[in-house]
Amino acid sequence: AQSVTQPDIHITVSEGASLELRCNYSYGATPYLFWYVQSPGQGLQLLLKYFSGDTLVQGIKGFEAEFKRSQSSFNLRKPSVHWSDAAEYFCAVGNDNYGQNFVFGPGTRLSVLP
Amino acid sequence: KAGVTQTPRYLIKTRGQQVTLSCSPISGHRSVSWYQQTPGQGLQFLFEYFSETQRNKGNFPGRFSGRQFSNSRSEMNVSTLELGDSALYLCASSPPGQASTQYFGPGTRLLVL
Repeated sequence: AQSVTQPDIHITVSEGASLELRCNYSYGATPYLFWYVQSPGQGLQLLLKYFSGDTLVQGIKGFEAEFKRSQSSFNLRKPSVHWSDAAEYFCAVGNDNYGQNFVFGPGTRLSVLP
Repeated sequence: KAGVTQTPRYLIKTRGQQVTLSCSPISGHRSVSWYQQTPGQGLQFLFEYFSETQRNKGNFPGRFSGRQFSNSRSEMNVSTLELGDSALYLCASSPPGQASTQYFGPGTRLLVL
């Protein structure tokens, strides 16, 4: 069965510092990979997605992610964090058939120090 | 284009009652999915509807049910509420041909007392 791990439960960075959130997946076929962000009390917002092609994917709000098949990873990065980036980040894996094949990771909570 | 909307945003019920939550997808989206989010279990898939038919179902008891209307709006119902049903219930819709790309609503926070 497919699964997603996010090794870091909570990360704290200073505003202006770079950020990398880790995501590892287990999936039998070529995965569709996603990163979502959730602010307190809000729904999930899609940051970026990878289906195929270029392994470096650009998303909204200055985020990017790199798919590394050999490492089964899809890490999220941002060169300079803003205080408004403080939120919970979820990595997810799925396929075109969706359904219960769509699995979210446990999430990483990001805190930003002024 | 308006996003996914969910009503109500907050709900308080007591054990044994039933509840109905509503979700209106983005215009043109025909696939609607429901998730339950709790601190202990994270995000768990409940079910997905497409063209008024349940297409996929997660591992939840039969107390959890849903339906979709011809205008793609969806409702989910939970009967005989238990304390453990307290959660944020999220609805998501997907554009045609992109079943895995989901756009989420703000959620309905349900508290069962």
